[in-house]
Amino acid sequence: QSALTQPASVSGSPGQSITISCTGTSSDVGSYNLVSWYQQHPGKAPKLMIHEVIKRPSGVSNRFSGSKSGNTASLTISGLQAEDEADYYCSSYTSSNTFYVFGTGTTVTVL
Amino acid sequence: QVQLVESGGGVVQPGRSLRLSCAASGFTFSSYGMHWVRQAPGKGLEWVAVIWSDGSFKKYADSVKGRLTISRDNSKNTLYLQMNSLRAEDTAVYYCARDLRPLAARPWYGMDVWGQGTTVTVSS
Repeated sequence: QSALTQPASVSGSPGQSITISCTGTSSDVGSYNLVSWYQQHPGKAPKLMIHEVIKRPSGVSNRFSGSKSGNTASLTISGLQAEDEADYYCSSYTSSNTFYVFGTGTTVTVL
Repeated sequence: QVQLVESGGGVVQPGRSLRLSCAASGFTFSSYGMHWVRQAPGKGLEWVAVIWSDGSFKKYADSVKGRLTISRDNSKNTLYLQMNSLRAEDTAVYYCARDLRPLAARPWYGMDVWGQGTTVTVSS
């Protein structure tokens, strides 16, 4: 099972909106609403930002939102802030042999 | 508070074994599926294994199948990862993580609580 495909980097200026894509297949993203997104700052453990494609855990800013179309899921960060600079990973259940898979990761830079 | 604390990491020679532990507190451990996730130096997250809340089912990444074994002791609120026949490519920070939904039929909803990680280095 290959990792889900994400762009290596995305950047934006403070206050702008950015979108990170996560492309999978019909065995994972395309067939199940079980995509999650994680934020990871250097040297820290990942933090859950979105689960089940669109749901936001309590305490996560509403500037973060998720969506999905076909085999591609997306994370949008609105009103970009300096603290949003981090690595972001998508993940999904997969009906392939391995059960679960992460994305390749995207580094977000706030210009 | 809800917490996961990993231990057991260290430096080990190729081919040797190591057992990681993850102590849970602040929640009903036996109600949640649990995952191990690893991150090699400078690399992305890699899912390793999952175990159902009652220990009845386990799933593994292809890269570790047959060498790493996930288990749990609900009476001790502890998750384990037995690592055998270790290779250089197993070098990573290993995180334990809780699946989001308690008493779920399958632990596939996302990981909402993470430990701080424990470092495993496989080197001669």
